[in-house]
Amino acid sequence: AQKITQTQPGMFVQEKEAVTLDCTYDTSDQSYGLFWYKQPSSGEMIFLIYQGSYDEQNATEGRYSLNFQKARKSANLVISASQLGDSAMYFCAMREGQLYSGAGSYQLTFGKGTKLSVIP
Amino acid sequence: DSGVTQTPKHLITATGQRVTLRCSPRSGDLSVYWYQQSLDQGLQFLIQYYNGEERAKGNILERFSAQQFPDLHSELNLSSLELGDSALYFCASSAYEGHGYTFGSGTRLTVV
Repeated sequence: AQKITQTQPGMFVQEKEAVTLDCTYDTSDQSYGLFWYKQPSSGEMIFLIYQGSYDEQNATEGRYSLNFQKARKSANLVISASQLGDSAMYFCAMREGQLYSGAGSYQLTFGKGTKLSVIP
Repeated sequence: DSGVTQTPKHLITATGQRVTLRCSPRSGDLSVYWYQQSLDQGLQFLIQYYNGEERAKGNILERFSAQQFPDLHSELNLSSLELGDSALYFCASSAYEGHGYTFGSGTRLTVV
């Protein structure tokens, strides 16, 4: 089974509107972290937002917020007031394992991504 | 500038050749992770080093190897290159394992 599933290969959103990018995950660990990255056409990977499995509040970073529903194992990214510069690939990723336990390698597992296009 | 430096940015080489990709992590970061991004496989974890020691291996081919040097920079060596090795190779670093991954801008490898 895939550990990270992004079911939307492509999305369109009107400029200034909000958009939600879906991400579901699969892990048996109690401690894990969820990340969203943006990859513009230039190729670099830009960190957007992080949610820890024990965080009680949904993470927010400027126009980005993470809708974390632990029981449903979903971590959707919400982008408010979309801008043309938001057009890019968006990747959801997960880090598994208890931090600072020395037991894990903590690599990120990525989903296949969602291509977001913002329409003027 | 993310603080993680990858060189070269672009590399074109022939099948059967060997190349070395270099990564300088963000100042103070002890962990280095290598990822491969290809159209068919997506982003795949290859290998991780922590303070000079190999910590974990992912989907890394036997033709590939890596190391982290005392100054914490890392090199990924790819040998006997095949057309399918064409991809974008990323290095990421983190100060503490599991936190604050910062990615470099990647090395785009084209094997012809």
